[in-house]
Amino acid sequence: GQNIDQPTEMTATEGAIVQINCTYQTSGFNGLFWYQQHAGEAPTFLSYNVLDGLEEKGRFSSFLSRSKGYSYLLLKELQMKDSASYLCASQDSNYQLIWGAGTKLIIKP
Amino acid sequence: IAGITQAPTSQILAAGRRMTLRCTQDMRHNAMYWYRQDLGLGLRLIHYSNTAGTTGKGEVPDGYSVSRANTDDFPLTLASAVPSQTSVYFCASSPHGTGSDTQYFGPGTRLTVL
Repeated sequence: GQNIDQPTEMTATEGAIVQINCTYQTSGFNGLFWYQQHAGEAPTFLSYNVLDGLEEKGRFSSFLSRSKGYSYLLLKELQMKDSASYLCASQDSNYQLIWGAGTKLIIKP
Repeated sequence: IAGITQAPTSQILAAGRRMTLRCTQDMRHNAMYWYRQDLGLGLRLIHYSNTAGTTGKGEVPDGYSVSRANTDDFPLTLASAVPSQTSVYFCASSPHGTGSDTQYFGPGTRLTVL
C-alpha cells in the first residue's frame, strides 16, 4: 500500500532549529515534496527531493533517503511566522501526490 | 497576476442539493487537481486532469464529477450533496503534471453540508 507518516505536532523555540521527519511507502516513487500551510490558507511549495541527499534553500533544508523511505525538513533560526503545518507528500508512479496529514509546528518565544 | 481563483469562498448547503465549485487558473498550466482536506487527514485527491479534454479519478471520486472544457477552468460538481462531503476543497494546478512539477493551490472553498 501507500502510506505517509509524520508527527502530528511539534513545539520549538524562536531562534532554534527543528527537524520534521517523514516516512513513506509509495509504489513507483518519483520524488518527495514539502509544503507549508498556515492556518486557514492554501499549501505553498517549499522543497522537492528526488535524489538522496540534502537540498538547502535559505533557512530551510530537506533531506531524502530513498533506500530508507525517509525524509526530513530542517528549519533553522526559527521565526514566529514559521508557525504553520508542514505537509510531506510523495509522488507515485503516475506523478500523483500522496499526502501526509501534516505536522503542526508551534513556535514559542 | 491572479494565479488560481476559487469560488465560492465558503458555502452552506442543504443535503441533496447540487453544487458546483469553480476553479480558474491564468498560468496556462496543463494539469489541474481537486483535493479535499479534512482534519487529521492528508489532502486527498478527488479528480485530476492532465490536459484540457481529459480527466481522471483520484483517491476519493465517489459523489463528485469534473469537466475540463478548456485549459483555464476545472469545475467540481457535487450532484447530490451529503454531510460527509463537508470539507475544505482545494483546487491546484501544475505546468505538466509530471516529474518535479510544483502544484500551485487556490485559496480553497469551505463547504458545509447540513
